[in-house]
Amino acid sequence: QVQLQESGPGLVEPSQTLSLTCTVSGVSISSGDVYWTWIRQSAGKGLEWMGRIYTGGTTTYNPSLKGRVTISSDTSKSQFSLKLTSVTAADTAVYYCARDTGGGATRFDYWGQGILVTISS
Amino acid sequence: DIVMTQSPLSLPVTPGEPASISCRSSQSLLHSNGYNYLDWYLQKPGQSPQLLIYLGSNRASGVPDRFSGSGSGTDFTLKISRVEAEDVGIYYCLQPLQPPFTFGPGTKVDLK
Repeated sequence: QVQLQESGPGLVEPSQTLSLTCTVSGVSISSGDVYWTWIRQSAGKGLEWMGRIYTGGTTTYNPSLKGRVTISSDTSKSQFSLKLTSVTAADTAVYYCARDTGGGATRFDYWGQGILVTISS
Repeated sequence: DIVMTQSPLSLPVTPGEPASISCRSSQSLLHSNGYNYLDWYLQKPGQSPQLLIYLGSNRASGVPDRFSGSGSGTDFTLKISRVEAEDVGIYYCLQPLQPPFTFGPGTKVDLK
């Protein structure tokens, strides 16, 4: 059974870097035609797709994040990570990691439970 | 970016009665392969979103057949033939045609 679990600090100071990790179990993150994705949900912007990393390592990001986002993976730990730099209060949100089935037809079939990250001093 | 809109934004429903949600995209979601790239998700209270419908009309694994998706191009509909109490939550449409993938604002479904 595929499971995803987000982890990281729940509070980040403004202008700092938000770092989250998603641990995947039940499937290898380095095989298959799938993408590993970060999505966030805030009161102000609803659900926002942030970006994804392919099993081969290729990344795609949402341009709205203006180059502040980096997604990477550590296959030895079955984890992929999110880094968002220069955060502001607008980045306060629940952050989800999810699997994108890819295969020419994106759909998010497995999600983590989400982690609330608050940006505040 | 493709902009997604939904209506209504709030939908009180009566158990046993049908319900319908509309989703519209700013660009056609019809791919050259003949499929419409439109998904529906349900976020139940306190939970992560879950996939209901993909490629416009295909129910995801385990989704009851009272849920159906239809539409083409820029106009899509999610229908629940007979609403059950467990169907309450926020329904989102998503365009997975081209990055950045974009969600609709959500339709909150609750019981009358």
